[in-house]
Amino acid sequence: NAGVTQTPKFQVLKTGQSMTLQCAQDMNHEYMSWYRQDPGMGLRLIHYSVGAGITDQGEVPNGYNVSRSTTEDFPLRLLSAAPSQTSVYFCASSPGLGNQPQHFGDGTRLSIL
Amino acid sequence: GQQLNQSPQSMFIQEGEDVSMNCTSSSIFNTWLWYKQDPGEGPVLLIALYKAGELTSNGRLTAQFGITRKDSFLNISASIPSDVGIYFCAGLKTSYDKVIFGPGTSLSVIP
Repeated sequence: NAGVTQTPKFQVLKTGQSMTLQCAQDMNHEYMSWYRQDPGMGLRLIHYSVGAGITDQGEVPNGYNVSRSTTEDFPLRLLSAAPSQTSVYFCASSPGLGNQPQHFGDGTRLSIL
Repeated sequence: GQQLNQSPQSMFIQEGEDVSMNCTSSSIFNTWLWYKQDPGEGPVLLIALYKAGELTSNGRLTAQFGITRKDSFLNISASIPSDVGIYFCAGLKTSYDKVIFGPGTSLSVIP
């Protein structure tokens, strides 16, 4: 059982480039979410999804897009990368929205030059 | 913005010592979660608390759901080097709310 898988693990981009961070889970979880982690700020919610076809904004959504065409996958797209988006990105899943523990991937470390 | 506060921000302790950290909020939470993050990895759930006053243990770790519902505490007994990492608290205000994370407490254990 792989759990939550994130790819790539590392990425360097130039300002203005676009890219997609991939997230897949094999636990048939309905709820998936994306966080960014910056020093001293903990985890901040970017976008989340309560099921296939349904997404919503979190605390820091600007500059990011998501879609949820299947239960398993929840990609995060950076439309035009900016240095302020340099961060570590974590994808998480849980059986449902609510008081369910979340399972995290190992993160994608993204640097924008 | 951030609604949870964690203290201390960081701590350095000797191996074998006990550790206490806490998480506070100005709002009432319905659920408290404690996670540990090892360097280079994603957070892993340690303990989940669902009821005010609840005291739950996981090996050498014990967490409590504060009576006021505005705080939670994590204790680690007889620390060992593998306890090193960042400990995050997280909470949900209602059963179907989004999880909110605290900024973390960084723990270093000196052998």
